Amino acid sequence: EVQLVESGGGLVQPGGSLRLSCAASGFTFSGYGMNWVRQAPGKGLEWISYISSSSNTIYYADSVKGRFTISRDNAKNSLYLQMNSLRAEDTAVYYCARDERGSGSYLGYWGQGTLVTVSS
Amino acid sequence: DIQMTQSPSTLSASVGDRVTISCRASQSISSWLAWYQQKPGKAPNLLIHDASSLESGVPSRFSGSGSGTEFTLTISSLQPDDFATYYCQQYHTYWTFGQGTKVEIK
Repeated sequence: EVQLVESGGGLVQPGGSLRLSCAASGFTFSGYGMNWVRQAPGKGLEWISYISSSSNTIYYADSVKGRFTISRDNAKNSLYLQMNSLRAEDTAVYYCARDERGSGSYLGYWGQGTLVTVSS
Repeated sequence: DIQMTQSPSTLSASVGDRVTISCRASQSISSWLAWYQQKPGKAPNLLIHDASSLESGVPSRFSGSGSGTEFTLTISSLQPDDFATYYCQQYHTYWTFGQGTKVEIK
């Protein structure tokens, strides 16, 4: 069974940093591209970052470019999101999601999400 | 950037109704479109990919159509479990979601 489990969320002050993790199991993690998608409270879904299976290709949404860094460790079956210079508008539930075709496609499996709250 | 616009934003319907949700892309995305269902407090669930391919395990009352810039998600006979928010998503160029359509009980 495919499982994605996010962790690392919490309360952080504006300007602070946080590192999210996504632990994958039930599939060959190194064979899939992965994404981070977020959802602000009461709002819609926003794609924020993608990393290819071998980390050769990385994309960011303009809203997080230069502040967030996506990475992965295929040996540990884990995906990460380093978030720096956090702002109030980054408050959201952050989901990791599996790209089903490996080259940028639909998101077939999602984690349960981890809540990040940016507030003083 | 490709913008995705869904209509309506909210839809009131009754069990057994036929429901149609529209999604428009700001430029052609061929058939690179997915539909997701999301219930409160839960992660989105993939329903349809490539505009019209139904995911395994998704009830056949769900269907998708369209190509280019105009797409539709249809629920042929609305069931109690279908009251949720639905999102379209393009994956032609990066990824963009529509703003969502909430299907509520009439």
